[in-house]
Amino acid sequence: AIRMTQSPSSLSASTGDTVTVTCRASQGVSINLAWYQQKPGKAPKPLIYGVSTLQSGVPSRFSGSGSGTDFTLTISYLQSEDFATYYCHQYDSYPWTFGQGTKVEIK
Amino acid sequence: EVQLVESGGALVQPGRSLRLSCAVSGFTLDDYAMQWVRQGPGKGLEWVSTINWNSGSIGYADSVKGRFTISRDNAKSSLYLQMDSLRPEDTALYYCAKGGSRDWYAESWGQGTLVTVSS
Repeated sequence: AIRMTQSPSSLSASTGDTVTVTCRASQGVSINLAWYQQKPGKAPKPLIYGVSTLQSGVPSRFSGSGSGTDFTLTISYLQSEDFATYYCHQYDSYPWTFGQGTKVEIK
Repeated sequence: EVQLVESGGALVQPGRSLRLSCAVSGFTLDDYAMQWVRQGPGKGLEWVSTINWNSGSIGYADSVKGRFTISRDNAKSSLYLQMDSLRPEDTALYYCAKGGSRDWYAESWGQGTLVTVSS
């Protein structure tokens, strides 16, 4: 199975900051990489799919990049509603896998 | 409006079986791949299984392969997960999710149904 390793596991930031979360795959996943945001007690919400395509309705301060095995989620000008846990997800080959999550907390 | 409503979660003893259902509305189920994702208490997301539009392509996590079976009834707008030989580590909130229009990621999610495996 492809292992997805996110870093960091958690981070503290202030509103207005730019935050970067990285996701490394143990083997190439082509462009089949998505990012989700989850808040406590809520279902996950898709942010990015196909490495860099923004889900409809998601603010443009979220962006995704990368290729092959290394991917990045960037949140520019962090807003209060962005404090949440973020997961990467590869859907290139079975079994699909998620990263372990990155919790973005208020500094 | 796209809606996915899971049901069937319960408290069940180890070794027993359970069948989860996901009723969908607001879109034509035939057109989309569907998946199940679970989240144990205080844990991260774990992909469980995916089925394509016509059941011709199915995948399972290693942790459930041979015990869980995904299926769909497009005519009934429903997705299912048959879970056999349940273990305590299967305890989780189970979400069903709809694939994207041009991609297989989880575009829309239900609110989940809770499965607790305990004696």
